[in-house]
Amino acid sequence: ILNVEQSPQSLHVQEGDSTNFTCSFPSSNFYALHWYRWETAKSPEALFVMTLNGDEKKKGRISATLNTKEGYSYLYIKGSQPEDSATYLCAFSGLRNTDKLIFGTGTRLQVFP
Amino acid sequence: NAGVTQTPKFRVLKTGQSMTLLCAQDMNHEYMYWYRQDPGMGLRLIHYSVGEGTTAKGEVPDGYNVSRLKKQNFLLGLESAAPSQTSVYFCASRYLVPNEQFFGPGTRLTVL
Repeated sequence: ILNVEQSPQSLHVQEGDSTNFTCSFPSSNFYALHWYRWETAKSPEALFVMTLNGDEKKKGRISATLNTKEGYSYLYIKGSQPEDSATYLCAFSGLRNTDKLIFGTGTRLQVFP
Repeated sequence: NAGVTQTPKFRVLKTGQSMTLLCAQDMNHEYMYWYRQDPGMGLRLIHYSVGEGTTAKGEVPDGYNVSRLKKQNFLLGLESAAPSQTSVYFCASRYLVPNEQFFGPGTRLTVL
């Protein structure tokens, strides 16, 4: 059974703080790692799709890195704002079935003004 | 473009009743997915489709059936609803490449 784990489960930070969280996934048969942002009462939206070891992607104040050899990805948010409050999901797809994603349970971020 | 839409948004069923959830997308995506979201658990894949006329089982397919008769629609059926199927159901779709998924707004289903 493939396991995708995210830590921490939840995080509370002050506006302006920088923060990061982790996604761990199987390091063998890697195909892609996705990050999604999920605001309350909305649907998940894709942030990044990463496929290469050492990949770094950036969108505004949010960036992500990927280490496929050791099976982890970090998501960083620089200077958190209240509008960054959301659950951040990562999802893994492996070479055995590139059609499917295995989702982690997410990191719930709350940014206080 | 409406993107991915789901019908209905909310539904309450009694145990044993049947219903169909409709997912529609107007992006000409090949792939479509049905997930369920339960507290403390990640999105779990129920069934998916890699093209019109094809379907495949995901992680938690029992108690559900699906059909993809038209490329833009993916239907999820509950033949005999059970309280364990109380959940929020999300549909998603994507192109072959890139493979990011686009999600619908969700359907909240309660089975009494």
